[in-house]
Amino acid sequence: KAGVTQTPRYLIKTRGQQVTLSCSPISGHRSVSWYQQTPGQGLQFLFEYFSETQRNKGNFPGRFSGRQFSNSRSEMNVSTLELGDSALYLCASSGGQASYGYTFGSGTRLTVV
Amino acid sequence: SQQGEEDPQALSIQEGENATMNCSYKTSINNLQWYRQNSGRGLVHLILIRSNEREKHSGRLRVTLDTSKKSSSLLITASRAADTASYFCATDAGGTSYGKLTFGQGTILTVHP
Repeated sequence: KAGVTQTPRYLIKTRGQQVTLSCSPISGHRSVSWYQQTPGQGLQFLFEYFSETQRNKGNFPGRFSGRQFSNSRSEMNVSTLELGDSALYLCASSGGQASYGYTFGSGTRLTVV
Repeated sequence: SQQGEEDPQALSIQEGENATMNCSYKTSINNLQWYRQNSGRGLVHLILIRSNEREKHSGRLRVTLDTSKKSSSLLITASRAADTASYFCATDAGGTSYGKLTFGQGTILTVHP
């Protein structure tokens, strides 16, 4: 079956702009989590959605937001981009039973200039 | 913030040798997972060990967990050049920490042919 699909793969934005990233989970998976990966901070949890509801949120400013649609596809949005938002953004899906691990997408590489 | 430390930060070995990576964490966990990442791409789930388990095997992988010391180790036996990647441990606290994995800083493994 298809894996987790993230689009776009690469993105270059200017400071102050906003960006929307998309994640399509594995068919049947209802939980989608988002992570930010940077060389300095490593992998950090952004938020998790399950059945269109945000159940958990990491320690990121309000400029980072997300949503989930009825088909479980998820989007995350970053407004008023800062240079420090340059990172690899990863999403992961799970069937809801975290004890089986997560399947990650290939990520979206965001560069803010 | 990162859950803990991984040791070593980098490991260089020859094909056929064994590779051992260690991970320490700080808080109680429901399970601990290991992931592999190739060159800034997505994470690949390798193995999950629950808090009530002490050792688990999967192919050439062996993971141990010592909850009294809050530490885990990943052993890759008979390594191959294709095992060259970054390896991350990640803890799942369970409960209401929906979708949240807390990652270590990772170990960069280089396997020379």
